Amino acid sequence: AQKITQTQPGMFVQEKEAVTLDCTYDTSDQSYGLFWYKQPSSGEMIFLIYQGSYDEQNATEGRYSLNFQKARKSANLVISASQLGDSAMYFCAMRETYGQNFVFGPGTRLSVLP
Amino acid sequence: EAQVTQNPRYLITVTGKKLTVTCSQNMNHEYMSWYRQDPGLGLRQIYYSMNVEVTDKGDVPEGYKVSRKEKRNFPLILESPSPNQTSLYFCASSPKFFPYNEQFFGPGTRLTVL
Repeated sequence: AQKITQTQPGMFVQEKEAVTLDCTYDTSDQSYGLFWYKQPSSGEMIFLIYQGSYDEQNATEGRYSLNFQKARKSANLVISASQLGDSAMYFCAMRETYGQNFVFGPGTRLSVLP
Repeated sequence: EAQVTQNPRYLITVTGKKLTVTCSQNMNHEYMSWYRQDPGLGLRQIYYSMNVEVTDKGDVPEGYKVSRKEKRNFPLILESPSPNQTSLYFCASSPKFFPYNEQFFGPGTRLTVL
């Protein structure tokens, strides 16, 4: 069964610094996708970045990058140059190619300090 | 504008009074899903649908029903709500090809059952 672990319930980072949010996953499938979503205090779910299991390069989207280590089954989100608007809950999620489920981790609450 | 809509956004009800939360998407997506979000647990899948008239249980289906009579609509039905169903509910949709497509989320419905 799929499982996502996010071991950091809460994180603090100083504005303009980089921060890494951890995500480890468990799957027996060889083909899967990993996703990060942001949930600000307003509640909506915002898609940030995607990494496919067969992608050879780490995904990047603006200030977001994904540190993908397949052998270790980790998909950490790196936010560079943190901004106050980055304060939010961040969820790691996974979807297998032949699975119907889209599984989420418990989330990490990031607080950016001025 | 491509979007997933949910109604109502907020609902306070009493134990045992049947309710329906509507979900509609205008992106012609085959896959639709319902989640509930509870603190410390992330998002957990309630039901999903691969296409019209095709639905299946997620991780926490007890106490919920769904139907998919049209491609764009996927209502969530609570026939006899109980206080433990107080939660934030999200509807989401995505194209059918796994695992490369992220899900698009509705704005959420905050349900309180007294």
